Amino acid sequence: EVKLVESGGGLVQPGGSLRLSCVASGLTVSSNYMSWVRQAPGKGLECVSVVYRGDGTYYADSVKGRFTLSRDNSKNTVYLQMNSLRAEDTAVYYCARVGSESYELDYWGQGTLVTVSS
Amino acid sequence: DIQMTQSPSSLAASVGDRVTITCRASQSISRYLNWYQQKPGRAPKLLIYAASSLQTGVPSRFSGSGSGTDFTLTISSLQPEDFALYYCQQTYSIPRFGQGTKLESK
Repeated sequence: EVKLVESGGGLVQPGGSLRLSCVASGLTVSSNYMSWVRQAPGKGLECVSVVYRGDGTYYADSVKGRFTLSRDNSKNTVYLQMNSLRAEDTAVYYCARVGSESYELDYWGQGTLVTVSS
Repeated sequence: DIQMTQSPSSLAASVGDRVTITCRASQSISRYLNWYQQKPGRAPKLLIYAASSLQTGVPSRFSGSGSGTDFTLTISSLQPEDFALYYCQQTYSIPRFGQGTKLESK
């Protein structure tokens, strides 16, 4: 059974940093593409970062230069390092596995809430 | 960027109804179109991938069709557990979601 468990969310002041973690079980992150998707309160879904089309990593324009996706194969964990956080980054952040058919997001974690506020 | 326009933004229906949600891409995306269902406080759940392939475990009353720029998600006979938010997503280029359709009980 595939399971993705996010952690690391919380309250942070504008300009601060957080690192989100996504621990995977039932799949190996080193041989899978992974993605981070966020959802601001009452809003729709936004793909924040994804390993896309080969080994390149995509970042939404809104987070480019501030967020970095990485992984630790030994811990079977994917990370999202978030720097220079803004109020508009407040959202639930989901980790998801990218499937092989049409880059669909077939497994999702439960999400972790990030609140950026002073 | 390829933009996705989903319609309607909300829809009221009754149990047993046939429901159709539409997603239109600003340019051709072949069949790189996926559909998700989201219930309050829960992560999205994949329903349909590659425009028309049913994800394992998803009831057969859900179906998807289309290619190019126009796609539809159809629920053949609405069940109480189907009232939720639905999103399309294109993955032909930079991945984008539609703005969502809220399916409510009439």
